[in-house]
Amino acid sequence: AQTVTQSQPEMSVQEAETVTLSCTYDTSENNYYLFWYKQPPSRQMILVIRQEAYKQQNATENRFSVNFQKAAKSFSLKISDSQLGDTAMYFCAFMNDYKLSFGAGTTVTVRA
Amino acid sequence: SAVISQKPSRDICQRGTSLTIQCQVDSQVTMMFWYRQQPGQSLTLIATANQGSEATYESGFVIDKFPISRPNLTFSTLTVSNMSPEDSSIYLCSVRLQGLGEAFFGQGTRLTVV
Repeated sequence: AQTVTQSQPEMSVQEAETVTLSCTYDTSENNYYLFWYKQPPSRQMILVIRQEAYKQQNATENRFSVNFQKAAKSFSLKISDSQLGDTAMYFCAFMNDYKLSFGAGTTVTVRA
Repeated sequence: SAVISQKPSRDICQRGTSLTIQCQVDSQVTMMFWYRQQPGQSLTLIATANQGSEATYESGFVIDKFPISRPNLTFSTLTVSNMSPEDSSIYLCSVRLQGLGEAFFGQGTRLTVV
């Protein structure tokens, strides 16, 4: 079974500032996907960004970017120019074959 | 992408009763997944629902407690049977489209057992 570790239960950031969420994972596989999902109070799970393990280039999606370090099995998420709507729980997830394994989540609060 | 409708969005149930949650997808998908999210916790996979065959359950989850139906490629149900307060959770339906890596989720069902 894959293990996904998010070591930061909570993070707080000032509006317009930058915050980085950490994620590490454990796998013996070489081909897999990594994701960051956002879950606001509405409960809806929203895909923020995805990374294929075979790609060396870090994924970027508007204000969201990742730092993917395959050898270190690290996959951090950077939120730039934080907005109040970014307040949510963020989950790091690993997919191999067809199953998703989630980290424990990090609650991000953006302060006005 | 996929649009997933999940019903009910929330319910309060008496212990000992059962609740069936429905999941409807706007496109045909091979695999559908059911997750449980206990209060303040992460998502845990309950089972994979395959059309035309029995669901595949993860360790710690059994068919008698969480029977699943998958009558066609766009619909599935999860039943939470003989409920106890420990079953109070959010239950989420999810699909993965062929050729895409990511999973898409329904809006979840918040279940409270009293």
